[in-house]
Amino acid sequence: QKEVEQDPGPLSVPEGAIVSLNCTYSNSAFQYFMWYRQYSRKGPELLMYTYSSGNKEDGRFTAQVDKSSKYISLFIRDSQPSDSATYLCAMHNAGNMLTFGGGTRLMVKP
Amino acid sequence: ETGVTQTPRHLVMGMTNKKSLKCEQHLGHNAMYWYKQSAKKPLELMFVYSLEERVENNSVPSRFSPECPNSSHLFLHLHTLQPEDSALYLCASSQTYRGGTEAFFGQGTRLTVV
Repeated sequence: QKEVEQDPGPLSVPEGAIVSLNCTYSNSAFQYFMWYRQYSRKGPELLMYTYSSGNKEDGRFTAQVDKSSKYISLFIRDSQPSDSATYLCAMHNAGNMLTFGGGTRLMVKP
Repeated sequence: ETGVTQTPRHLVMGMTNKKSLKCEQHLGHNAMYWYKQSAKKPLELMFVYSLEERVENNSVPSRFSPECPNSSHLFLHLHTLQPEDSALYLCASSQTYRGGTEAFFGQGTRLTVV
């Protein structure tokens, strides 16, 4: 079993839809959770960074962490074609390096 | 700009060539990383340096040789590569290599081995 699981997609939605992207993980020691966005032929860019459980909102993006279920989510409201990219979740605890999910490819159609 | 710069952006090399990838970070970070990203595969961590010392080497073939002359620069020397080494090579940096800080990535070098 992989330490971090992420559905590779592709996930195709119409413009304006609410998008939900998810990761599950097996290591209960993870405390720091990140979402990266990667456009085609570019490096990943940090989108959201959260510590422990709870929600964090930034514009149209909301990151949610449920440590009891070992489940994290990224919600995108009013999705735009420019949101089309691969979204990578990543996580670690204080003693270890980042562990990445495999990424979910999102396509937002006009 | 992310603060992490990689050169070249694209590289085509033959299997007998020797080339080097360069990474420079302007963020004052202490840790730098090389990752390999192949099509439809997760990011693979190759090497980690902390304050110019290698702290991780994830069973990477010896045809990849990293070098970290100072905390701002990281190189990946390539020789006698195989076609399956064609991938996007990403450099990243973070404040420390142990937990609590996020990694910032460069734009990557798209490597094609012919």
